[in-house]
Amino acid sequence: DGGITQSPKYLFRKEGQNVTLSCEQNLNHDAMYWYRQDPGQGLRLIYYSQIVNDFQKGDIAEGYSVSREKKESFPLTVTSAQKNPTAFYLCASRHQGAYGYTFGSGTRLTVV
Amino acid sequence: DQQVKQNSPSLSVQEGRISILNCDYTNSMFDYFLWYKKYPAEGPTFLISISSIKDKNEDGRFTVFLNKSAKHLSLHIVPSQPGDSAVYFCAARSGGSNYKLTFGKGTLLTVNP
Repeated sequence: DGGITQSPKYLFRKEGQNVTLSCEQNLNHDAMYWYRQDPGQGLRLIYYSQIVNDFQKGDIAEGYSVSREKKESFPLTVTSAQKNPTAFYLCASRHQGAYGYTFGSGTRLTVV
Repeated sequence: DQQVKQNSPSLSVQEGRISILNCDYTNSMFDYFLWYKKYPAEGPTFLISISSIKDKNEDGRFTVFLNKSAKHLSLHIVPSQPGDSAVYFCAARSGGSNYKLTFGKGTLLTVNP
């Protein structure tokens, strides 16, 4: 089955630690995206990548970093510089020419 | 600056009745609009979409209407079912090479049996 996989589903980290969220897709999609969901805030774009080895900042990129070394993978690192890292993180991908995204099932990150 | 607005955080309707979810936008460059449905602790799933050159798109119980002059779109669900209870996000695409979707804050729809 083709799809987009985010792991783990739940993640706990201590304040001050960097943490990397995994996102893998086997849909052969070119573009990949990271969004963050907070209560009452909707989905806000963190980073996106249209092709391998290239990515752009979204609306709330501060405190985050990404890489796109392979078409299938787009990991997101939440650094200690991110002031409010506790949130639900969603990864998405899109086939070139398509309008909509396919979303993963999300990772709930809790920083204590 | 919120370019896609869903002003109703929640909506409650009776099973079998019509649900109408609204969305307003400010960016005239948006050329494609989508609705996504989301259950708790899951990723959003695509529901229905509409191009800016159309004013209506229908798919089974779901119809999306677009009023470009008012920069307003709405999602109609008829008849509403308890399984439709979820958060609905309106999203808009701006044209150009850097493709990305801008989402509203969502509306929680509750369909009561």
